[in-house]
Amino acid sequence: DVKVTQSSRYLVKRTGEKVFLECVQDMDHENMFWYRQDPGLGLRLIYFSYDVKMKEKGDIPEGYSVSREKKERFSLILESASTNQTSMYLCASRSVDNSYEQYFGPGTRLTVT
Amino acid sequence: AQSVTQPDIHITVSEGASLELRCNYSYGATPYLFWYVQSPGQGLQLLLKYFSGDTLVQGIKGFEAEFKRSQSSFNLRKPSVHWSDAAEYFCAVERLTGGGNKLTFGTGTQLKVEL
Repeated sequence: DVKVTQSSRYLVKRTGEKVFLECVQDMDHENMFWYRQDPGLGLRLIYFSYDVKMKEKGDIPEGYSVSREKKERFSLILESASTNQTSMYLCASRSVDNSYEQYFGPGTRLTVT
Repeated sequence: AQSVTQPDIHITVSEGASLELRCNYSYGATPYLFWYVQSPGQGLQLLLKYFSGDTLVQGIKGFEAEFKRSQSSFNLRKPSVHWSDAAEYFCAVERLTGGGNKLTFGTGTQLKVEL
């Protein structure tokens, strides 16, 4: 089974802190994604990476950056956390075969105070 | 631009009753369409997908969905709901971009099942 893990289920940080969210997948998938999920807004794509060291902005990249140094790991970085970044963050991965299925991690609920 | 609309924010059904969750999409070409489910405290899991061919697709957990091009719809159905189906359901459409394919999600429908 594909497994996507995220470093923390719950995280509380202070305004202005630099925050790292880590995501690891064990199926050698080329594509990885970071979403944020907010009530009434569904999932919105922050960034995605189609291969190692490759990244592309999603729909809401402002205030975020990403890093993908190894194929299995995709990190989301909040350079200076703000209260409006309090949200659920979901990581996903996908193979480049024709299945198009994304596999999701359990999510990290981040609270910025 | 591609978009997905789920008009029902909350739906409540009795256990054993039938279920239909609505999804409408906006996309210029033949869409790749998906339904995902998110159980409480879990990540999203794929229920089913439509790429081409037979417009009625079967998924896991007894769910099915029908693609209707004339109505730009991809509604999810289940003939008899179980209490364990209580979850949030997301419809999504695959969109093509310069850097690769990405999903656009609807805002979700929260399903409550009454015993």
